[in-house]
Amino acid sequence: EAGVAQSPRYKIIEKRQSVAFWCNPISGHATLYWYQQILGQGPKLLIQFQNNGVVDDSQLPKDRFSAERLKGVDSTLKIQPAKLEDSAVYLCASSLDLELATGEQFFGPGTRLTVL
Amino acid sequence: DQQVKQNSPSLSVQEGRISILNCDYTNSMFDYFLWYKKYPAEGPTFLISISSIKDKNEDGRFTVFLNKSAKHLSLHIVPSQPGDSAVYFCAAGGWDKIIFGKGTRLHILP
Repeated sequence: EAGVAQSPRYKIIEKRQSVAFWCNPISGHATLYWYQQILGQGPKLLIQFQNNGVVDDSQLPKDRFSAERLKGVDSTLKIQPAKLEDSAVYLCASSLDLELATGEQFFGPGTRLTVL
Repeated sequence: DQQVKQNSPSLSVQEGRISILNCDYTNSMFDYFLWYKKYPAEGPTFLISISSIKDKNEDGRFTVFLNKSAKHLSLHIVPSQPGDSAVYFCAAGGWDKIIFGKGTRLHILP
C-alpha cells in the first residue's frame, strides 16, 4: 500500500513570495490533514478535510494561507505571501474517516520550507 | 496554552534498559492518547494508543500507561534498541482532532 505522498520535499523562497505544496493521501482515506511543524515544536493542525469539505480550519492564518481538496482526493496548501515565521515543515496526513476511534493518522514525509 | 506537555526535550538510555517517556495533559475531555515516533526527514509514524477508559495498553516492547487522575501518561520501551533512537511525540484527541506535544528526543546508547 502506497503511503502519503508530498511534493516538493524542500523549498526555499524569499519573503513575500508565494509557494504551494501538494499532497496525495492514501487511497480510500476520506480525511486529510495539513500540519505545520516549527523546529522544536510538535505538529500543529492547520486544516482538516473530510472528503472535499473543510471540517476544521480554525488555526489556519486565512489572510495568507489557503488549502483546497477539490475532488476529495489530493490537496494543495498555498502560502501567499510568505513571511519569515512560515519557515517550518508542512506535514500532510490522512486517515480512513472522521471517526478517530484509534486516532491513527498516516503522515507523509513533509515539505521543509525555508523563507529568507 | 499547551494542552499536551512533554517536559523532557531529550532522554538518553543504555541499550537493553527501559526507556520511559512522559507526557502530561490539561484537558480531561480527551478521549484517547497516542504516541508517534519520528525519524529525521520522515513524517511521524503511529506507535501505540490508549483509550481514556483504559489504564494500560501493551504492544510488544511498547507499553503505554494512563493515569487519568494525574492527567499523565507514559510510554515504556523494554528492552531499548538502537533503532528506537528517534523523536517521540505524545498526542491527545477528541472526536475531531488530535493535539501533539513538543516531542522528546530519545538516544539509545550502545
